[in-house]
Amino acid sequence: AQTVTQSQPEMSVQEAETVTLSCTYDTSESDYYLFWYKQPPSRQMILVIRQEAYKQQNATENRFSVNFQKAAKSFSLKISDSQLGDAAMYFCAYRRQGGSEKLVFGKGMKLTVNP
Amino acid sequence: DGGITQSPKYLFRKEGQNVTLSCEQNLNHDAMYWYRQDPGQGLRLIYYSQIVNDFQKGDIAEGYSVSREKKESFPLTVTSAQKNPTAFYLCASSIDRFGPRGGELFFGEGSRLTVL
Repeated sequence: AQTVTQSQPEMSVQEAETVTLSCTYDTSESDYYLFWYKQPPSRQMILVIRQEAYKQQNATENRFSVNFQKAAKSFSLKISDSQLGDAAMYFCAYRRQGGSEKLVFGKGMKLTVNP
Repeated sequence: DGGITQSPKYLFRKEGQNVTLSCEQNLNHDAMYWYRQDPGQGLRLIYYSQIVNDFQKGDIAEGYSVSREKKESFPLTVTSAQKNPTAFYLCASSIDRFGPRGGELFFGEGSRLTVL
């Protein structure tokens, strides 16, 4: 079974600095998708960024970018120019390619942004 | 505005009672999901439905039941058989079951259930 591991339960960063959140996963599949979700204190989760495993280029969305290392099964999220609104729980997730495949989530990591 | 509406936001239940959590979406999404969130546990899938009148058990379905009679609605019933129901429940939907966007879930604001 696929598993997703977020080994750091909490991190903090100073406003305007850069922070990297780590995620590793275990799979024997070659085709899959990886995601980072954000859950702010309001608790409504939103998608931050998505990466298709067949793409070598790392995905970017404004201040958010990933470092996807397929061989190492690593999928880290870099947040540049951190803002107070980035404070949230962040969840890494995996989905195998296929029709009815479900999303597998990591346990999450709490990010604090200090002013 | 399109989105997912969960109700109630907070719910209290006495032991032995069944309760139903509502989830309605107006995004025209085929797939809908129920997750349970506990501190330090991440999100665990309870049930999911890919299409009307069909649903599948997730990883922790015991003590829960669902129905999918309409595309827009996917209510979750927490039955008295669920031994530890106090948790935060999240409903989600997705636009594309088969492609990468099938992992792009749109979430409701959640329902907090507390057993008294």
